[in-house]
Amino acid sequence: SYVLTQPPSVSVAPGQTARITCGGNNIGSESVHWYQQKAGKAPVLVVYDDSDRPSLIPERFSGSNSGNTATLTISRVEAGDEADYYCQLWDGFSDHCVFGTGTKVTVL
Amino acid sequence: QLQLQESGPGLVKPSETLSLTCTVSGGSISSSTYYWGWIRQPPGKGLEWIGNIYDTGSTDYNPSLKSRVTISVDTSKNQFSLKLSSVTAADTAVYYCARLNNIHFDYWGQGTLVTVSS
Repeated sequence: SYVLTQPPSVSVAPGQTARITCGGNNIGSESVHWYQQKAGKAPVLVVYDDSDRPSLIPERFSGSNSGNTATLTISRVEAGDEADYYCQLWDGFSDHCVFGTGTKVTVL
Repeated sequence: QLQLQESGPGLVKPSETLSLTCTVSGGSISSSTYYWGWIRQPPGKGLEWIGNIYDTGSTDYNPSLKSRVTISVDTSKNQFSLKLSSVTAADTAVYYCARLNNIHFDYWGQGTLVTVSS
């Protein structure tokens, strides 16, 4: 089955840029979605279809996808961005949903 | 505003069947535009897709759980349900229901913790 690999953790200072990667075989040919999950809460969709944002998500959240890596970028990081982040795609070969391993973002 | 709410027992004995219901409010579950799914998260671990149900009533299940999972829908109550049979401690998790919008989940329930223990 399709495997999506994320770094376990990313640390970033307030005001800086955080980049969270999601690696998969030829992932650039798939649509990738990103979720933010704060402690004890349900996941929230922050980017869908590689780079689109739901209406209530700040422009500081952006996404890109090419080759074997998709990336979620958080600009001007704030303390409130501290959370776990998961990538997700629909594997067209198996017709199943796949989640990435998750990345914990720590704001220093 | 669409809302989803999971309900069901918080404690299930090993070898028994876990049963959860998701009640959808603020929108119709019968829409052909959206589908409905279940995702779980063991304590301290990542998200695991369980399966989806579509407007036609057809289903997709995670291959690792397929032999034990049944997802169904009750349009008269605007609800969909999850049954997971022969549970073990490894099935202890927070279970989320969510709306599947094309191929991403755009609305989630708050989640419900189900513990498998005798």
